[in-house]
Amino acid sequence: LAKTTQPISMDSYEGQEVNITCSHNNIATNDYITWYQQFPSQGPRFIIQGYKTKVTNEVASLFIPADRKSSTLSLPRVSLSDTAVYYCLVGLSYNTDKLIFGTGTRLQVFP
Amino acid sequence: DVKVTQSSRYLVKRTGEKVFLECVQDMDHENMFWYRQDPGLGLRLIYFSYDVKMKEKGDIPEGYSVSREKKERFSLILESASTNQTSMYLCASSRQGLAKNIQYFGAGTRLSVL
Repeated sequence: LAKTTQPISMDSYEGQEVNITCSHNNIATNDYITWYQQFPSQGPRFIIQGYKTKVTNEVASLFIPADRKSSTLSLPRVSLSDTAVYYCLVGLSYNTDKLIFGTGTRLQVFP
Repeated sequence: DVKVTQSSRYLVKRTGEKVFLECVQDMDHENMFWYRQDPGLGLRLIYFSYDVKMKEKGDIPEGYSVSREKKERFSLILESASTNQTSMYLCASSRQGLAKNIQYFGAGTRLSVL
């Protein structure tokens, strides 16, 4: 099972771009990479998912290098409301294998 | 919008009590999951179910059981609650296939066992 490693915490200021990297050295061929955001007293919320290269949606971008051993979640121009814990999830989408959440990165955005 | 509803936000129980945590989803999702979340440990999977009456153990199934009699409902059962089961419990659901990793979570139940 692919295990993930993320920084425990990061600080940023409003308006800056934030990049959170997740390491998953033993990712399997069929594994997808998924990121979630969690606010206090709420369940996690899906942000973005990708397999390789770059994926972008209205919230974030996900960069995955060719070897897929890491991935970077990029949040453009963060605001105070982006203060949350961000989880990287690596797992196989096709069967019932277990999915593993990382320990999460606590992002604090300052004014 | 997908809605995953957990029956209680806060629950206080005594050691040795039998505890039921209920979860209902309204999007006809095949998969349902129970996690617990503790400070410094992130989310840990307790059990998941990919179909009615089907279940598989997650990383920490000891002390828990589950029931899925209907597609929309997934129950977590603590047969005899212990203080080390004090935690935040999160239920989630997702579709099969490529969308399996896109899980929709409930708001959580904070359980205290005294």
